[in-house]
Amino acid sequence: KQEVTQIPAALSVPEGENLVLNCSFTDSAIYNLQWFRQDPGKGLTSLLLIQSSQREQTSGRLNASLDKSSGRSTLYIAASQPGDSATYLCAVPGGAQKLVFGQGTRLTINP
Amino acid sequence: DVKVTQSSRYLVKRTGEKVFLECVQDMDHENMFWYRQDPGLGLRLIYFSYDVKMKEKGDIPEGYSVSREKKERFSLILESASTNQTSMYLCASSFWGRGGRTDTQYFGPGTRLTVL
Repeated sequence: KQEVTQIPAALSVPEGENLVLNCSFTDSAIYNLQWFRQDPGKGLTSLLLIQSSQREQTSGRLNASLDKSSGRSTLYIAASQPGDSATYLCAVPGGAQKLVFGQGTRLTINP
Repeated sequence: DVKVTQSSRYLVKRTGEKVFLECVQDMDHENMFWYRQDPGLGLRLIYFSYDVKMKEKGDIPEGYSVSREKKERFSLILESASTNQTSMYLCASSFWGRGGRTDTQYFGPGTRLTVL
């Protein structure tokens, strides 16, 4: 059964720093991985979907990488801003159109 | 833009009441999902549906039922609400992925349900 882990559960950094969020998964036979953002009390917003054939995917200041063989993905945020404060979740396919989510990393950017 | 809407942002109900949570999507997605989200437990799948009148149990279906009479609408029903069903409920939808693969899911804003 696929399991997704995100460590740390919470991260606090000063504004302007570059940072990396981590995601690991137990079954490397995945064909894509997604990163989502969730603001407090809100739904999830898809940030990036990275296919297994890609090693990286970029959107603005965000860059996601995927290493299937090691069962890891990272989300790199450049020049962090207070507006980046949110919970970031990664998800991988769980069979039959479903997703398996990690528990997320709660990110706080301090002005 | 994909739009997934949920009928209420906040809901307060009494134990034993029948509760309906409604979700509507406007992108002609085949798949629709209901999750609940609790601190320390993450997102857990309750039910999902591939098509009208079709439903599949997720990881925690006990105490819930669903209805999908129209493609754009997916309802979650708590037959007799209990305090342990106090939670954030999230609806999502997606296309049927090419080759059966899982596609991006689009989420609604959530319904915070409190059962007293």
